[in-house]
Amino acid sequence: EAQVTQNPRYLITVTGKKLTVTCSQNMNHEYMSWYRQDPGLGLRQIYYSMNVEVTDKGDVPEGYKVSRKEKRNFPLILESPSPNQTSLYFCASSFLPERGGHEQYFGPGTRLTVT
Amino acid sequence: AQSVSQHNHHVILSEAASLELGCNYSYGGTVNLFWYVQYPGQHLQLLLKYFSGDPLVKGIKGFEAEFIKSKFSFNLRKPSVQWSDTAEYFCAVSYSGTYKYIFGTGTRLKVLA
Repeated sequence: EAQVTQNPRYLITVTGKKLTVTCSQNMNHEYMSWYRQDPGLGLRQIYYSMNVEVTDKGDVPEGYKVSRKEKRNFPLILESPSPNQTSLYFCASSFLPERGGHEQYFGPGTRLTVT
Repeated sequence: AQSVSQHNHHVILSEAASLELGCNYSYGGTVNLFWYVQYPGQHLQLLLKYFSGDPLVKGIKGFEAEFIKSKFSFNLRKPSVQWSDTAEYFCAVSYSGTYKYIFGTGTRLKVLA
């Protein structure tokens, strides 16, 4: 089954404790992206990647890191989480736009609480 | 800065009523436009998309949207809503030549049976 998976689905952590949220897709998509969803703010793009070792900042990259060492995986790293990073996080993937990839496939979301 | 505006944050309708959700985007050149839906407890999924051709696009579940370039708008419509359309709807845009996506703040639709 074609899908985007995220782990963990729920995470409660404390300020400053490094964490990683994993994202994996099995559709051979070049493009992967991370979003955060906050009430009243919709989805905001954090980082995206056009292919292995190629990443770029979205609109809200501060406090986050990403890496793309393999095509299928795109982990989101919070080196020193703060309470304002409490949010619902979505990973998404698609083919590149120039290859006709306009539809993004979203993962189930990771609800992160930082105390 | 490039942006997407959704004017209606909460909409309540009775079954069989017609629906129109507004979406406007800021100018930035050639655009690709999307409507995504998030049903309670589920992933976001694509309703419909526009990237060229006929400005009236049809999507899944009887939804359609019209791209009006002169108004920078991409409004979502459905002639007769059902209780199962209760969800949150997001308009999104990507600008040609970039790989960034910009989403609107979303519209929560509640359909009363």
